[in-house]
This record gives sequence, structure tokens and C-alpha cells, in this order.
Amino acid sequence: DTEVTQTPKHLVMGMTNKKSLKCEQHMGHRAMYWYKQKAKKPPELMFVYSYEKLSINESVPSRFSPECPNSSLLNLHLHALQPEDSALYLCASSQPLAGQFFGPGTRLTVL
Amino acid sequence: GQQVMQIPQYQHVQEGEDFTTYCNSSTTLSNIQWYKQRPGGHPVFLIQLVKSGEVKKQKRLTFQFGEAKKNSSLHITATQTTDVGTYFCAGRGGSDNTGGFKTIFGAGTRLFVKA
Repeated sequence: DTEVTQTPKHLVMGMTNKKSLKCEQHMGHRAMYWYKQKAKKPPELMFVYSYEKLSINESVPSRFSPECPNSSLLNLHLHALQPEDSALYLCASSQPLAGQFFGPGTRLTVL
Repeated sequence: GQQVMQIPQYQHVQEGEDFTTYCNSSTTLSNIQWYKQRPGGHPVFLIQLVKSGEVKKQKRLTFQFGEAKKNSSLHITATQTTDVGTYFCAGRGGSDNTGGFKTIFGAGTRLFVKA
């Protein structure tokens, strides 16, 4: 299995909602990432988990809360988001220092 | 902080013409990766370069890493319509304290190919 899966594909939520994005990989990769991508922009790193521990938080607002329940799963919990948080949220995984495999993303719209 | 600059922003080519995108870092990189993102898709890993002066080829694609490990290029020979998309370089710092997991993406070059 050489793919990263993400659910849901699309998500529309209000500013008072709580929702979660899910990511899964079965390639045995020990690093997992969350990126945010706006239209016509590069992916912007949010969080990195290495060996199931949070190793990088790029000063992301606390309304985004990552979680890594095990080495195959990565979640991103969303609460009280703003309309400017609307974007494509990409999950990726890799072995340390190697290329990253990206999932198809969750397209998030915050109303 | 570390910055990775990529040019050009856009490139329109006729099918069969060559295409090159360039990437420059403000600091020495430990490695550089290249990704392709099709319209409406997600980034797909193409290759990673690690050694100073390294050159790698994948069919019509040629990747180079500069001697100083601060710049890189991707050259496509005889473009095809299937090459359409945005090409991103992504650099890892040479001496960050993040265990090598932090990757900085260039702004990307959008390639348009006219048949």
C-alpha cells in the first residue's frame, strides 16, 4: 500500500462547529505532516509528528489541534475556525529525511 | 529564516519545447526535493537530491543540485501536454534543529503546454 488517504474529501463548517480531519498511511513511515494550501500557493507546513511525537508546530493558532493516535494515523481537530482558514489541508508522510507522500487533501470551507 | 525562491512563476510553452524551473535558497540545504502538482490534485514526489553537484534523470526530466547546495533546477526536454501542472522545489535546511523534518517549499512554477 503506497498511498496516503484522507477523509473527508470536502468539509463545510460554521465558525462555531467542531470537526476533525483524518489521515492514514500504511507505508511504515515514521514522520507525518499537516500542510495548509491556499489556491495558487505552495503548501505551508503546519505540524510535523516524528515517531508519534509532535516535533514541529509552525506557530499554528490553537483552533487547530493535531493528534497522532498511532504510527499510521494523524488527525487534525478543528474548532472555532475563521473564514480565512478555508483552504486545502494536505496530510503527508515520509521516512526521516526522505521525500514526502501526500494524500489527496481535504477541501475545507468555513462559513 | 530560511527562504526558497523559485522562478519563473509561470511558463507557457508549445508542445515539444523545453522547460526549466530554477530554485535558490538563502542558506545551504541538506537536500532538495521536487514535486509536481496537477491542477486540482495534490503534490506528487518526483525526486530528492542530496549530494553537491548531483544530477539525476527521469526519462525527459533532468534534476540538478548546485555545487554549493544552495540552488537546483528541473529541466524537461520536449514537453508534452501531460507535463502540465505546478512544479515545486522543497528544501531542507542544512543545520536546523528540527531533526531534518522541516521542508520549505518554493512558490512553484506553473507550466502551461499548448498542443
